[in-house]
Amino acid sequence: QVQLVQSGAEVKKPGASVKVSCKASGYTFSGYHMHWVRQAPGQGLEWMGWINPNSGGTNYAQKFQGRVTMTRDTSISTAHMELNRLRSDDTAVYYCARLSWGPEDYWGQGTLVTVSS
Amino acid sequence: QSVLTQPPSASGTPGQRVTISCSGSSSNIGSKTVNWYQQLPGTAPKLLIYSNNQRPSGVPDRFSGSKSGTSASLAISGLQSEDEADYYCAAWDDSLKGPAFGGGTKLTVL
Repeated sequence: QVQLVQSGAEVKKPGASVKVSCKASGYTFSGYHMHWVRQAPGQGLEWMGWINPNSGGTNYAQKFQGRVTMTRDTSISTAHMELNRLRSDDTAVYYCARLSWGPEDYWGQGTLVTVSS
Repeated sequence: QSVLTQPPSASGTPGQRVTISCSGSSSNIGSKTVNWYQQLPGTAPKLLIYSNNQRPSGVPDRFSGSKSGTSASLAISGLQSEDEADYYCAAWDDSLKGPAFGGGTKLTVL
C-alpha cells in the first residue's frame, strides 16, 4: 500500500533553515509528482510547490520562491523540502502529498515546524 | 487569501442536508476538475470527492459533489455527528501550475 512517512517535528529559531523529509513506499517514486502543502495553526491549506522525482524539475508557489528548495533522492524514494530564513509565521504543519485528480490521493502524516526565539 | 473561495463556516442538525460552496475562476474550476477533502482535527486531509462528483472507495454516498461553470458544491445529506470537520475544495490552477485550495469550511453538527 502507498505510504508517505515524514520526518519528525522541528523547533527552529527565526532566520534558521529547516529540512523536512518524506519517504515514499508502495509505488514507483519517480512516476508521480510530489507536492508540499502547509497548514498554519487554525488556518487552511497552502500549496508550496512540487517536484518531479523523475527529472528533479520543480515548480514553486510565487510566495516561496527564493526561500524554498525541493529535492529528491530516488535511491531511497525520498523527497525533501528545505525552507530558509524562517519567520514566526512559518510555524505550521508541513505535508508532502501525492496529489491526484483521480481516486488515489495520498498525504504524509505531517511534520510540525515551530519557529520561535 | 485563498485562490478558491469557501464560506468559513456551515452548520446543520443531525439528519439534515448541508451544502458547501467553492468559487473559483476560468484558470481553475472553470477548466479543471474539483476535489473535495475532509480534515478531522490533527489529521491529514482525506479525499472525499474527485472529478467533481466521484467518490473514492469507502466514502459514503451521503457525500456528493457538483460543478457548474466556475463554482462547485459539496453536499452532505443525512448529517451525522462524525461529519463535523473542516472541508476543503481544490482544483488545478493553470496560472499557478499547481493546485489551488479553498480556505476551508468548518462544519458544525448542532
